[in-house]
Amino acid sequence: GAGVSQSPSNKVTEKGKDVELRCDPISGHTALYWYRQRLGQGLEFLIYFQGNSAPDKSGLPSDRFSAERTGESVSTLTIQRTQQEDSAVYLCASSLLSSSYNEQFFGPGTRLTVL
Amino acid sequence: SQQGEEDPQALSIQEGENATMNCSYKTSINNLQWYRQNSGRGLVHLILIRSNEREKHSGRLRVTLDTSKKSSSLLITASRAADTASYFCATLGSSNTGKLIFGQGTTLQVKP
Repeated sequence: GAGVSQSPSNKVTEKGKDVELRCDPISGHTALYWYRQRLGQGLEFLIYFQGNSAPDKSGLPSDRFSAERTGESVSTLTIQRTQQEDSAVYLCASSLLSSSYNEQFFGPGTRLTVL
Repeated sequence: SQQGEEDPQALSIQEGENATMNCSYKTSINNLQWYRQNSGRGLVHLILIRSNEREKHSGRLRVTLDTSKKSSSLLITASRAADTASYFCATLGSSNTGKLIFGQGTTLQVKP
């Protein structure tokens, strides 16, 4: 079946502009995650959606970052007034939270470059 | 903040040799998972070991877990050039909130 997809694959924007990144999780996966990965670094947790529960936003670095998820489907990550330090690969993952193991399936990522 | 700390940060070996990567963590866990990342893009799940397991095998991969030392190791035997990638450990906390905490990763280069 189809895996996690993300769009766009690459985004170049100017400092101060807003960007929207999209994630389509695997159908039926109740949990969805956003991570940020700066060049040569590990994954930095941003936000986590679990079914209809309130999202865990504890990883969002500032109020310029927000994310929404419609039911158990598409999610968008919005970065307002982008800064150069926002340049990174943004990865989305989904999982079957009903599984106690919580193996996560990752999308290919969106590479964001802020000029 | 990242829980997992991995070492070495980088590893370079010849094809056919074994590669060992280590991961340490700080809090109690439900399970520990290893992922591989090629070319800075999406991660691929490799293997999962539960907190009550000590060793697990999958093909050329062998994972050990020592909960008393809060550490894990990933061994790749008979490495191939195609194993060149970054490898990350990730822990699921014992409260199983669903959130994985990733380490900083080990970059493995396998020379043909």
